[in-house]
Parts: sequence; C-alpha cells; structure tokens
Amino acid sequence: QVQLVQSGAEVKKPGASVKVSCKASGYTLANYAMHWVRQAPGQTLEWMVYINVGNGNTKYSQTFQDRLTISTDTSANTAYMELSSLTSEDTAVYYCAREPYTYDFGMDVWGQGTTVTVSS
Amino acid sequence: QAGLTQPPSVSKALRQTATLTCTGNSNNNVHNQGVAWLQQHQGHPPKLLSYRNNNRPSGISERFSASRSGNTASLTITGLQPEDEADYFCSTWDSSLSTWVFGGGTKLTVL
Repeated sequence: QVQLVQSGAEVKKPGASVKVSCKASGYTLANYAMHWVRQAPGQTLEWMVYINVGNGNTKYSQTFQDRLTISTDTSANTAYMELSSLTSEDTAVYYCAREPYTYDFGMDVWGQGTTVTVSS
Repeated sequence: QAGLTQPPSVSKALRQTATLTCTGNSNNNVHNQGVAWLQQHQGHPPKLLSYRNNNRPSGISERFSASRSGNTASLTITGLQPEDEADYFCSTWDSSLSTWVFGGGTKLTVL
C-alpha cells in the first residue's frame, strides 16, 4: 500500500524552527518527486517547494525560499521539511505530496498532514 | 492581479451535474499551462482528481472530468452523490511568480 506518513503535531514559539518528516512506504522515494504544501486554518492550499528526489533538483516558492530547507534520506525512504524563523502566520497543516514525474505537478499521494502551531 | 479565481460555493441536487470553474490571469497562463484539480473533505488531505488538464489518476471515477477553454478551466461532476460534498481546488503554474498556485477553492454542497 502506497502511503506517506508524516511526523506528529508540533507547537513552537515565534522565532523557532520546525522539522517535519514524511516517510514513504510502498514505493521508492527516489522514483518520484515530492512537494510540500501547507494549509492555514480555513484557507486554501499554499505550495512551498518541489524536489526531484532522483536528481536533487528543487523549486522553491519565493515566499519561503530564504527560510525553508528540504532534504531527503533515500536509505530511510524519508523526506524532510524544515522551516525557520516561525511566526504565528506559519500556523498551518503541512502536507508532503508525491508527484509522478510525468504528472506536471499533479500530486497523487498525500501525507496525513502535520499540524504546526506557532504561539508564544 | 493574483491567483486563480473559483466561486466560493456551488449547490446542486443529488444526481444532478455540477460544473466548477477556475479562471486564471495572464500570469498563471491557465490557457497554456497544465491544470490540476483536487478534492478535499473536511479534516482530510486533498485527493488528486485530474492532472495536466484532463488526465484522471487511476481509481478516480469517470464521473469527474476536467476541461479547459481559453483562460478558464472546469471540473464537471456528473450524477452527484452525497460523498461529493467537499472543497474543490484548481491549481496551475504561475510563470511570473515561478510558483505553483491554488485557487481559493469551491465548496460544493449536494442537496
């Protein structure tokens, strides 16, 4: 069964960083691309970043480029997203989502989401 | 002028057909970029319904079909069922922002 399992909810203080993991099962991480997308409460989806896991190429949203780091550990079949300098505006559910290389940003498998709350 | 414009809500009767629209602007080039559609039930992650304008992933019902005309993309859902009640999002590439953008979403109510 193909699935993405994300790490648990986080509560962070303003200025801190958060690192979310996304473990793939049922397929090989390197054979697909991966995106990270977030959704603030009651809001639409917001794309953050894309990585071609096979060759390491990345595309970042300009909104996050300066404080977002993505990485992968193919031996663990896991992707990671780290967002720094958190503010209350970063309170959201963060999703990882798989993209087959031929799907042109069509994300066909999604993680269950990780709730990140930023509060003093 | 930002983003993709979707009507906030659409209501249709059971077994009827709903057509959800998504209008782009000159930056996000709906007319010449691939469009994807996703469905999201409350409290759940999104689910891909269509990619690259009108391609359905395996397992998605034929009741869902996507199309595009000019700068407007559409998702048509036939034979509406109670489980179709959800939020629907369109998305495409915005070349001026170099960003994948999502519309504001349409809440579909099945009466």
